[in-house]
Amino acid sequence: LAKTTQPISMDSYEGQEVNITCSHNNIATNDYITWYQQFPSQGPRFIIQGYKTKVTNEVASLFIPADRKSSTLSLPRVSLSDTAVYYCLVGVSGTGRRALTFGSGTRLQVQP
Amino acid sequence: KAGVTQTPRYLIKTRGQQVTLSCSPISGHRSVSWYQQTPGQGLQFLFEYFSETQRNKGNFPGRFSGRQFSNSRSEMNVSTLELGDSALYLCASSPLGRGGENEQFFGPGTRLTVL
Repeated sequence: LAKTTQPISMDSYEGQEVNITCSHNNIATNDYITWYQQFPSQGPRFIIQGYKTKVTNEVASLFIPADRKSSTLSLPRVSLSDTAVYYCLVGVSGTGRRALTFGSGTRLQVQP
Repeated sequence: KAGVTQTPRYLIKTRGQQVTLSCSPISGHRSVSWYQQTPGQGLQFLFEYFSETQRNKGNFPGRFSGRQFSNSRSEMNVSTLELGDSALYLCASSPLGRGGENEQFFGPGTRLTVL
């Protein structure tokens, strides 16, 4: 199984950029890296996904170095509503493929 | 489009009993995955179904099983419940069947408490 490691928690202030790194040393060739956001009493919600280099969408950027053994989720100008737990997910499902592995989650607290 | 729905939302059982949880994916989605979430172990992958076939399974004992019907709805069953099975069970659906490669849409979960 892919093993993933994330910081347990991070603190930030409104308007700042937040970078959360996930370590996934034994990522396999076919594995994708996906980040999810979870609020209390809700299921995780998709943020962004990538395979290599950099991916950007309307809410975040994802940086993946050439060796793909880590990835960094970047949230520009966070607001109070970004307070949540963020998970990285590594793997790809499908017959004969490895199981999907979530990181332990990073609890982001945004202060005013 | 309606989201992923899970029933029941809350459930209380006693040790030794069995339980069946249900998940209805987003219309048109053919892949359904199940996850267990606990404070101690975090989010753990249980299994994935695509077109009524189990395609992948996480590291859980045989007491955990599932199935998918022709309409893509899925059920998971836990037999001989243990206290440690108390958790939030999340279901996620995906349109193209490759959960790690495509966005998964999660339901709100079923909170199972084993007494």
